[in-house]
Amino acid sequence: GAVVSQHPSWVICKSGTSVKIECRSLDFQATTMFWYRQFPKQSLMLMATSNEGSKATYEQGVEKDKFLINHASLTLSTLTVTSAHPEDSSFYICSASGLGSGTGELFFGEGSRLTVL
Amino acid sequence: DQQVKQNSPSLSVQEGRISILNCDYTNSMFDYFLWYKKYPAEGPTFLISISSIKDKNEDGRFTVFLNKSAKHLSLHIVPSQPGDSAVYFCAARAPKGAGGTSYGKLTFGQGTILTVHP
Repeated sequence: GAVVSQHPSWVICKSGTSVKIECRSLDFQATTMFWYRQFPKQSLMLMATSNEGSKATYEQGVEKDKFLINHASLTLSTLTVTSAHPEDSSFYICSASGLGSGTGELFFGEGSRLTVL
Repeated sequence: DQQVKQNSPSLSVQEGRISILNCDYTNSMFDYFLWYKKYPAEGPTFLISISSIKDKNEDGRFTVFLNKSAKHLSLHIVPSQPGDSAVYFCAARAPKGAGGTSYGKLTFGQGTILTVHP
């Protein structure tokens, strides 16, 4: 199946700093990428949908100024957590769909564990 | 509003037996349903899917059943193996412009932890 890669897989940062997470589709053109967040023992919660070359669409309750999403190319989307605080600590997962990625299933990255001290 | 629900947080099954994971949904606009398997600290991996125009889809040991009238789907794993132990999420997709913001947007259930004992 299609491959989606995330980097870094884990990151620890100090409160107040910004962290960037990359999501790449390795063997297909991702016209749409999705960013999810998962708290321990909870479901994946969609944060935002990004379409290549346009602004991201954020889900209700997600601060767009805090979680900056850029989808500048068909193979790369980035999520930047700005001025991170301990409550932002979570597991962030991206997924992608697009040309050649299949009829319905999304392909997910490996996830990025963010810990804010 | 939880549109996709997995009411069993956990399931324990003996190796070789059948595992049945259940999922209920409320949005009648969902047209595609998927099951994902997830290990801790990893992203979900796709298992099997079913279109709303079908009532069954089979792939090896995995079979998904869809009952549209009951808004219910289930994943059957038979025979279950210890390597199947993981968290299983069901997910549903609404067509673009029909309650979904874009093609591919999925709504996930809470997940069910499956443990298969040797």
